[in-house]
Amino acid sequence: RKEVEQDPGPFNVPEGATVAFNCTYSNSASQSFFWYRQDCRKEPKLLMSVYSSGNEDGRFTAQLNRASQYISLLIRDSKLSDSATYLCVVRYNFNKFYFGSGTKLNVKP
Amino acid sequence: DVKVTQSSRYLVKRTGEKVFLECVQDMDHENMFWYRQDPGLGLRLIYFSYDVKMKEKGDIPEGYSVSREKKERFSLILESASTNQTSMYLCASGAVAVTMNTGELFFGEGSRLTVL
Repeated sequence: RKEVEQDPGPFNVPEGATVAFNCTYSNSASQSFFWYRQDCRKEPKLLMSVYSSGNEDGRFTAQLNRASQYISLLIRDSKLSDSATYLCVVRYNFNKFYFGSGTKLNVKP
Repeated sequence: DVKVTQSSRYLVKRTGEKVFLECVQDMDHENMFWYRQDPGLGLRLIYFSYDVKMKEKGDIPEGYSVSREKKERFSLILESASTNQTSMYLCASGAVAVTMNTGELFFGEGSRLTVL
C-alpha cells in the first residue's frame, strides 16, 4: 500500500475556476504535511505547509483531517500559471518525507 | 538564493557500468536525500543522510549506495547499472526540522539517467 495516494488527474479547468485536490495518507504517525508544486521537467518546490487548523495563502487553501488521514488543496480563481503537478507530501520521524505521485492540473484559457 | 546542484542533467550508460551521481548544496543543511521519480510512482526515497558519514536506507535502496564525506556533498552510486534503474534522480537537502511544520526540502534540477 502506498504511503500517500493522490488522484493523478488530469484536472482540466477554465481560467477563473475553483478546483480541489485530495490526498490520503496511510501512516497515522505522520507529523507534518505539505503541498509541493512541480512544473513540467522541473524540480518540486514547496507550495505550502498544511496546518491542523487549516491555512490559506492567497488563492490557495489547505486543510488537514487527521481522523480521516486526508489532506486537501483548494485553488480559487485559477490562473494559467497554476498549470502544474501538485504533490502531496507527508513527513514522519522528522527525516522521512513521502511523496504522492501527484495530481496534474491544466488551466485552459 | 538557495542552491542544490546535481552534476549531470542527462546521462546515458550501459548495463553493468558503475554510475556516480553527485549533489552539492550550499545551505549548510544537515539532511540530504536521494529520490527517484518514475511516472505513476511519484518520488521514492532511495537513501538519506542526516550528517557527515551517516546514512539510512529509504524505501528502495537495492542496487544503490551513497557516500557523504563532506556536509555539502551527497553522492549516489549505482555499482552495476541495470535497465530498471533508468529514471529521473532527484537530490534534495533540508535543515533539521525544529517545529512540526518546518522542514522544507530544496531539490536539484534532477539527473535523467538512461541505462541501455
